[in-house]
Amino acid sequence: AQKVTQAQTEISVVEKEDVTLDCVYETRDTTYYLFWYKQPPSGELVFLIRRNSFDEQNEISGRYSWNFQKSTSSFNFTITASQVVDSAVYFCALISYNQGGKLIFGQGTELSVKP
Amino acid sequence: DAGVTQSPTHLIKTRGQQVTLRCSPKSGHDTVSWYQQALGQGPQFIFQYYEEEERQRGNFPDRFSGHQFPNYSSELNVNALLLGDSALYLCASSLRTSFLETQYFGPGTRLLVL
Repeated sequence: AQKVTQAQTEISVVEKEDVTLDCVYETRDTTYYLFWYKQPPSGELVFLIRRNSFDEQNEISGRYSWNFQKSTSSFNFTITASQVVDSAVYFCALISYNQGGKLIFGQGTELSVKP
Repeated sequence: DAGVTQSPTHLIKTRGQQVTLRCSPKSGHDTVSWYQQALGQGPQFIFQYYEEEERQRGNFPDRFSGHQFPNYSSELNVNALLLGDSALYLCASSLRTSFLETQYFGPGTRLLVL
């Protein structure tokens, strides 16, 4: 079975705090990709990052960083020095070879950054 | 570079009616996927179209059908609407070099069924 779990439903931080959003996935496939998307109140899902199952290197993009660990089936997302504009719902998603083009999403984590 | 576009942005229907939602993919993309997102939930995969055929389908009833046109745009049709069909409908496009490619999403259509 394919599954993505985001245990944190809501997180509230004060601006400039660091925050980590957790993502745990399940799949029996050896070839898969993991994604993070951001959904602001407007509703459009904005693509942030894509990671394949054979590349466990962490990635940093500005204030964003991602930690992929196959040993724990986790793909966590950290925002450093959070800003009010980071307020949104963040989704972790999985696509695997045997599932074709079907993206499987977690329930999402609503991040609120207060000034 | 035009992104994924969807129309209409909002729609109100009554139970039993039929609805058609439209999607134009990102420039250069040839594959369109549709997702349903209920309030407070993650998006759920409905189906995917490539080369004008349905290639993959999620756990949705036959009331949900689609079409892809030669210009790669797509329609989602829902018949016999139920109250539970109220949701945000998201269209995503990708390039079919492999079905593992990144899917880029449109702004969605908010459907309310009364």
